[in-house]
Amino acid sequence: QAQLVQSGDEVKKPGASVKVSCKASGYTFSSHGISWVRQAPGQGLEWMGWISVYNGNTNYAQKFQGRVTVTTHTPTNTAYMELRSLRSDDTAIYYCARDRGDSGYDTERDWFDPWGQGTLVTVSS
Amino acid sequence: DVVMTQSPLSLPVTLGQPASISCRSSQSLVYHDGNTFLMWFQQRPGQSPRRLIYKVSNRDSGVPDRFSGSGSGTDFTLKISRVEAEDVGVYYCMQGTYWPRTFGQGTKLEIK
Repeated sequence: QAQLVQSGDEVKKPGASVKVSCKASGYTFSSHGISWVRQAPGQGLEWMGWISVYNGNTNYAQKFQGRVTVTTHTPTNTAYMELRSLRSDDTAIYYCARDRGDSGYDTERDWFDPWGQGTLVTVSS
Repeated sequence: DVVMTQSPLSLPVTLGQPASISCRSSQSLVYHDGNTFLMWFQQRPGQSPRRLIYKVSNRDSGVPDRFSGSGSGTDFTLKISRVEAEDVGVYYCMQGTYWPRTFGQGTKLEIK
């Protein structure tokens, strides 16, 4: 079955960058996309951005434009999310989730299912 | 951005009783192809979110049939016919019709 496994927890200093990985298995990675969602401690879910693995198209939340980049490496079925200029309020759990790919081989049934296990990024001096 | 507004934000329910969560969008979620991309997620304590419902009313495999989704346009509802202890957690609606994707604030379901 489809599965997403994320990289381990990170501790970063303010101003640094973090790159979280998300490795897919159990489905055709290149036909779909990946969205990234974060959750600050005790807070709700916040969508950050998306990439179509199929055609490389991206879309980012305005809040993160210029500070976040999502990429993929198809030979290893891995997606990445890099967040730069970290601040203390970037402390959160970061999730990846399968999303639309616009390949014609994905359907709405694939969107936001599954999710990765989450990666805690702590920003502290 | 499309604003998703859930109510209530806190939902204490007696075991075996029904529960209902409302989700309203600031604009119609009907896509130009006629589909409505409204999803519901459950997040149990300490776990990743799990999708329960996609396209308003399609229940995911493995999701108990006590969960049901309904609605159209801008008004949507998630219903649990008889709440069980394992249903404790936070429930989110999310729209996938427009960019950016947007979530509701979440509704915390607890047992009375």
